[in-house]
Amino acid sequence: DTAVSQTPKYLVTQMGNDKSIKCEQNLGHDTMYWYKQDSKKFLKIMFSYNNKELIINETVPNRFSPKSPDKAHLNLHINSLELGDSAVYFCASSPPTSGRFSSTDTQYFGPGTRLTVL
Amino acid sequence: GIQVEQSPPDLILQEGANSTLRCNFSDSVNNLQWFHQNPWGQLINLFYIPSGTKQNGRLSATTVATERYSLLYISSSQTTDSGVYFCAVGWNTGNQFYFGTGTSLTVIP
Repeated sequence: DTAVSQTPKYLVTQMGNDKSIKCEQNLGHDTMYWYKQDSKKFLKIMFSYNNKELIINETVPNRFSPKSPDKAHLNLHINSLELGDSAVYFCASSPPTSGRFSSTDTQYFGPGTRLTVL
Repeated sequence: GIQVEQSPPDLILQEGANSTLRCNFSDSVNNLQWFHQNPWGQLINLFYIPSGTKQNGRLSATTVATERYSLLYISSSQTTDSGVYFCAVGWNTGNQFYFGTGTSLTVIP
């Protein structure tokens, strides 16, 4: 059984388009995240989301918006795509610690979505 | 933010050899994790080790938080160990979680 799944696995689109990446976890975790990995393999956290509390990395453009319909899903919507948005996007989830979420709890990653903006 | 540096950046090993990967970080943290990204891109959590030593099979890790570094030991390396090893550090609150630049390991048969 897949613990953290993402769709699509590959996404090729034109500049200016709007696209979404879906993430689902079946681990019963309370906290979910989105990460961006650039072409040099550098990983950077974009968002963490726990029980309707969203923490945004201030360096992320507001064209990126996470949406969580329920605890098991955290989707990433991107407006007006730019060339620099090309990257691999990873979703992750983690269990709660003492009732509070923490971005440093043990994290389980999805397989990634490779986004290419032409 | 915190600077996280890993060394060496690249490492090539013969199968069966041992290796030590290092992670230095620029500020006090109370959480640290090691990850392995395999050649297919999958990220796997290896250790959650804010301090002390842990072992899991051929892998072990030691973090000396007061001196701001962590070490990952790989013994009797296998070709399946190939990939990129990341160290990530942060605190127990908020959204601050910083990845290092990674060590790319290639194990040749």
